[in-house]
This record gives sequence, C-alpha cells and structure tokens, in this order.
Amino acid sequence: GAVVSQHPSRVICKSGTSVKIECRSLDFQATTMFWYRQFPKQSLMLMATSNEGSKATYEQGVEKDKFLINHASLTLSTLTVTSAHPEDSSFYICSARVELGYEQYFGPGTRLTVT
Amino acid sequence: QKEVEQNSGPLSVPEGAIASLNCTYSDRGSQSFFWYRQYSGKSPELIMSIYSNGDKEDGRFTAQLNKASQYVSLLIRDSQPSDSATYLCAVKRAGSYQLTFGKGTKLSVIP
Repeated sequence: GAVVSQHPSRVICKSGTSVKIECRSLDFQATTMFWYRQFPKQSLMLMATSNEGSKATYEQGVEKDKFLINHASLTLSTLTVTSAHPEDSSFYICSARVELGYEQYFGPGTRLTVT
Repeated sequence: QKEVEQNSGPLSVPEGAIASLNCTYSDRGSQSFFWYRQYSGKSPELIMSIYSNGDKEDGRFTAQLNKASQYVSLLIRDSQPSDSATYLCAVKRAGSYQLTFGKGTKLSVIP
C-alpha cells in the first residue's frame, strides 16, 4: 500500500518552455501532497504544500508564479514549471501524506533538464 | 530556523555489523520522527516512524527516540551491502504536516 507515482520520470526541455509534472497516489487518498526539489548531493528542499481543493502554500523563496501547483483531486497534484531556465534543472519529487497519519510516501521523482 | 542535524558520513561498517545512525533536532515541540532511505538517484523510501520515547523495532531496524535529549537514532542490525544508501532523518514540524529533513548520513556496508 501507500504507492505514489510520478510522471514523467525524466524530461528535457528548452529554456523558456513550460513543463508539467504529475503526482498520483495510487492506493490511498491524499488530502495533502508536497513538492520537493533536490540538487545533486544536497538534501530535500520543500517547495510547497498542496491541499486538495485549495491554494498551495509555498516555502519562502519559492516563486509561486513560476512553480504552479494544482491539487484538483484527492489522488492527483500537478507541478508546472513555467518559463523554465537551466537553473531550474533538478530532481523534483512529490510526496503524499496518508489520511489519519503523518507519514509521507514519495513518488519516484522527475529529473528535469533545461537546455 | 528549525534544524535537523545528521553526521554526513560516510559511515562505513563491515557486512553483518550493526550500523548506528544519529540525528538531533532543535524544535522541542516536535512530536513525530521518521527515517527514510535514499539510494543514489532515487527518491526517499520510508523505513520507520517513531512517536514515543523509547525503542521501536521492525525487522533489522530499530528506531530510538529520546525527546528530553532531542535525539533520534536508527540501528541497522546484520548490515548488508544492499543497505548502502543515504539515510535521512525527518521531523514533523509542530502544528503542520510538513517535514524538516536532515542532510542525511551516507552509509557504506563493506562486503
């Protein structure tokens, strides 16, 4: 149980384009999902907290107009990186919190390369 | 700033030995604690959660919590080469569902 999928697993895009990443909880409902970014050899950095049916809460320093998050259902959250630049190249990972608990289960991640 | 501190390692142990991973946290109001394992190039995988002082065992893994000392540890018994990974300590922020992660300890189990 507690399986989270993420799509795509890897994406290469040109500078200035937008990329959408999907995060799905497959066998449970996730009221809260989280988006993280991880640069090589660094720890996870929380970007935003996404609650179903409401606006995402962004961490300090994360541009909400650049990283658009939508949590339209209890099993799906999306992150859109708008006008991507090479410095946005990173490993983006979502996680989902199980209902009635605090554990977060992570998706497999999306490796974004902006050329 | 709420901090979670871990020794970055690398921690090298021989196969079959006990690996001991440590974590300290600064927010005395923290109530929930987690250990994740992350293989290189992969996303984190939840290993253990612990909420009360004392020990919690799951197979070869034992999590230990001491809230008075603000200290969490993970013991891995009979370490295997497949345990070689980075272990992340995570602490739930009081009043929210968000986790604060340490930078991780890299464990290397030598055959």
